[in-house]
Amino acid sequence: EPEVTQTPSHQVTQMGQEVILRCVPISNHLYFYWYRQILGQKVEFLVSFYNNEISEKSEIFDDQFSVERPDGSNFTLKIRSTKLEDSAMYFCASRRGSAADTQYFGPGTRLTVL
Amino acid sequence: QQQVKQSPQSLIVQKGGISIINCAYENTAFDYFPWYQQFPGKGPALLIAIRPDVSEKKEGRFTISFNKSAKQFSLHIMDSQPGDSATYFCAARYYNQGGKLIFGQGTELSVKP
Repeated sequence: EPEVTQTPSHQVTQMGQEVILRCVPISNHLYFYWYRQILGQKVEFLVSFYNNEISEKSEIFDDQFSVERPDGSNFTLKIRSTKLEDSAMYFCASRRGSAADTQYFGPGTRLTVL
Repeated sequence: QQQVKQSPQSLIVQKGGISIINCAYENTAFDYFPWYQQFPGKGPALLIAIRPDVSEKKEGRFTISFNKSAKQFSLHIMDSQPGDSATYFCAARYYNQGGKLIFGQGTELSVKP
């Protein structure tokens, strides 16, 4: 069964450094998402992406964040200057099309900012 | 208005019992209500979902009950098993906002043998 994959599984970085989290969505999916989950808390929406542009973003997704689909398979989340409070689990999700309901989540990347 | 409120925060059930988790929402712009199951260290996995024009949906041991007028929906796990021990999140989707999901706070379910 196709699945969303994410790399790396764990990223440790120093405060102020840039990180790029990578995702490979399910191959025929058209809608892409990033969510984050701070330890012990709920999953929070960050951004949705369709047709090579952001369709919606949350208040969390400020100028320090950016997303890109650099080729036909990868979907990346970049944090330009990480803060301690960016430490969280970051999940990528994808959805097949506008008529499809289900978002499929990847296993996540645990980001630790020291 | 964007919130989805979930209760209880944690739940302990004996094997074979019924687990019930409740969620409530305020925004009528939500058009789809999934439940996700999450095991430690894993991503959320879709368990079952419902649209607001249906009052109940059953898949195996899992049932969603939906009350549109009360803006509430609940997950019932029948014959709960130790393997069901996980965190359960309800969610609601804004169709016209890129399909983003708003999650509840989560319920940590523990099924005792």
